[in-house]
Amino acid sequence: AQKVTQAQTEISVVEKEDVTLDCVYETRDTTYYLFWYKQPPSGELVFLIRRNSFDEQNEISGRYSWNFQKSTSSFNFTITASQVVDSAVYFCALSEWQGGSEKLVFGKGTKLTVNP
Amino acid sequence: DTGVSQNPRHKITKRGQNVTFRCDPISEHNRLYWYRQTLGQGPEFLTYFQNEAQLEKSRLLSDRFSAERPKGSFSTLEIQRTEQGDSAMYLCASSGKRLAGSSYEQYFGPGTRLTVT
Repeated sequence: AQKVTQAQTEISVVEKEDVTLDCVYETRDTTYYLFWYKQPPSGELVFLIRRNSFDEQNEISGRYSWNFQKSTSSFNFTITASQVVDSAVYFCALSEWQGGSEKLVFGKGTKLTVNP
Repeated sequence: DTGVSQNPRHKITKRGQNVTFRCDPISEHNRLYWYRQTLGQGPEFLTYFQNEAQLEKSRLLSDRFSAERPKGSFSTLEIQRTEQGDSAMYLCASSGKRLAGSSYEQYFGPGTRLTVT
């Protein structure tokens, strides 16, 4: 069965620090997709990135970067020079491509607090 | 059309009452999903529509829950005889047509927060 583990429940940093959010997943499928979503205090889930299982290249988007390592089943997310606006709950999610719904299986989330 | 919308945003109801929520997806999206999120947890999948067809339902969706998507446009989620355990945020998401070998990201609405007293 699919499973996503985000071991860090809460992280607190001071503005401008770098922070890495961990995500470990389990799946028996060879074709799958990994996602990160941000849920700010307003509650709406905001899509950040999608990665397929065949593309292990790391990705950088501004202050955000993602490290996908199939060997360790991890898809970690780093925020460089954190800002107060980054404070939110971040969810890692997995979907399998089986010709079905591609429903997302989410981890429990990591609450990030960036203090000024 | 700027995103997925959900109504109402908040609903307080007494145990035993029926409630209905509505989701309007992004207009060109043919896939629609319902999730439930309880405090401190990630969203959990409830059901999925492709156009008007309901193709998958989670075991979380008891007989008291029913969802529809008439004409493949908006969707409704009804909970009959609500229980206190139904208190949660109900999230709707939509995604575009899937091409072979690809997966389109799901865009979420703001959710409907249900409180059963």
